[in-house]
Amino acid sequence: EAGVTQSPTHLIKTRGQQATLRCSPISGHTSVYWYQQALGLGLQFLLWYDEGEERNRGNFPPRFSGRQFPNYSSELNVNALELEDSALYLCASSPPPAGAVNTQYFGPGTRLTVL
Amino acid sequence: QKEVEQDPGPLSVPEGAIVSLNCTYSNSAFQYFMWYRQYSRKGPELLMYTYSSGNKEDGRFTAQVDKSSKYISLFIRDSQPSDSATYLCAMSKLMDTGRRALTFGSGTRLQVQP
Repeated sequence: EAGVTQSPTHLIKTRGQQATLRCSPISGHTSVYWYQQALGLGLQFLLWYDEGEERNRGNFPPRFSGRQFPNYSSELNVNALELEDSALYLCASSPPPAGAVNTQYFGPGTRLTVL
Repeated sequence: QKEVEQDPGPLSVPEGAIVSLNCTYSNSAFQYFMWYRQYSRKGPELLMYTYSSGNKEDGRFTAQVDKSSKYISLFIRDSQPSDSATYLCAMSKLMDTGRRALTFGSGTRLQVQP
């Protein structure tokens, strides 16, 4: 069974630009979660999508946004990039219903570097 | 105060030692407790999860939950250099929407010296 995939693996942008990160969940999983992991810090919850809708949002500014497509894949967009946005962005998926245990399975991450 | 507290380490032990990793939490609404392992520059990998207070064993790993003390532990027996990673605890609670949200600890970095 294929795991969660993310693309690109690495992304280098300059301050003020926009970044788009993509995630494909495990087949059969309907929920997708996005996390930010800055160097030396823990996982910071960004966004949760389920069945195409945003279910929850972490404490991040509106320039962090995303969406979930009908095939359950997801996109994270970061506008007006700032230096402190440099981090590993992790996507996770979980099977329905999201209310049971909510074990999340992670992808390898996209490392975003803002210069 | 964070809902989930975890000592960041690093924790350095010799090969073969028994490792104890711990998390405390403040919200009694947490019901499911998980441990993830994250190797450097990789995504976290689910090791095991538990629901009730008590122990759950999987090979060299034992997860322990004490809901009365709001304290969970992960024990690693006969630790190996390949166990060197960051270990994150995570806890699940039911939200008003009827769905569950996961809250992660900040992770403990473990180094097993050969």
